[in-house]
Amino acid sequence: DQQVKQNSPSLSVQEGRISILNCDYTNSMFDYFLWYKKYPAEGPTFLISISSIKDKNEDGRFTVFLNKSAKHLSLHIVPSQPGDSAVYFCAAKEMDAGTASKLTFGTGTRLQVTL
Amino acid sequence: KAGVTQTPRYLIKTRGQQVTLSCSPISGHRSVSWYQQTPGQGLQFLFEYFSETQRNKGNFPGRFSGRQFSNSRSEMNVSTLELGDSALYLCASSLGGHANYGYTFGSGTRLTVV
Repeated sequence: DQQVKQNSPSLSVQEGRISILNCDYTNSMFDYFLWYKKYPAEGPTFLISISSIKDKNEDGRFTVFLNKSAKHLSLHIVPSQPGDSAVYFCAAKEMDAGTASKLTFGTGTRLQVTL
Repeated sequence: KAGVTQTPRYLIKTRGQQVTLSCSPISGHRSVSWYQQTPGQGLQFLFEYFSETQRNKGNFPGRFSGRQFSNSRSEMNVSTLELGDSALYLCASSLGGHANYGYTFGSGTRLTVV
């Protein structure tokens, strides 16, 4: 049962345009969401996160939007650059009384930014 | 400061064998988590160790086990290897064990089972 879904395995965007990566989740207990970027032969790198008490978080060219009622989040990259070409993973963490750091990941979206 | 170090980077094993993977977290980080990445499955949580104790476990069979040492270094062991165990195994470390505090991944160990 895939609790975090990234339904687009790949996305191609022209340099300078906006990239929008989408993620849907099913578990209502998720309270924190993260985006990671992964280049080949490297581990995932943390990009940006958002708490469930917010609906938007910005960091430079990256903005994450959260729609709790729709159980949907999206990552916007504006403007897209060739160096943004990578696989992007959406991840979520459950509300937990302890401090365990288990994350549930989506299957990833491969973004290609073309010149 | 040094990042998360995983060794070896690549490994080829035969079905039925066992394998041990190693992870050295960032200095000062006490939590180490392990993930398996396979095509089409994303990253699947294996387990998390904090201060030498397993604090959380994913839905993997008992063939997958791990441990953490007093210096926070962690090892993961897979016994009786199956072809389906071929994957990229990623280790992540964090300060307090909470993903919000920053969760840094290593480059992974690529395991191929033949």
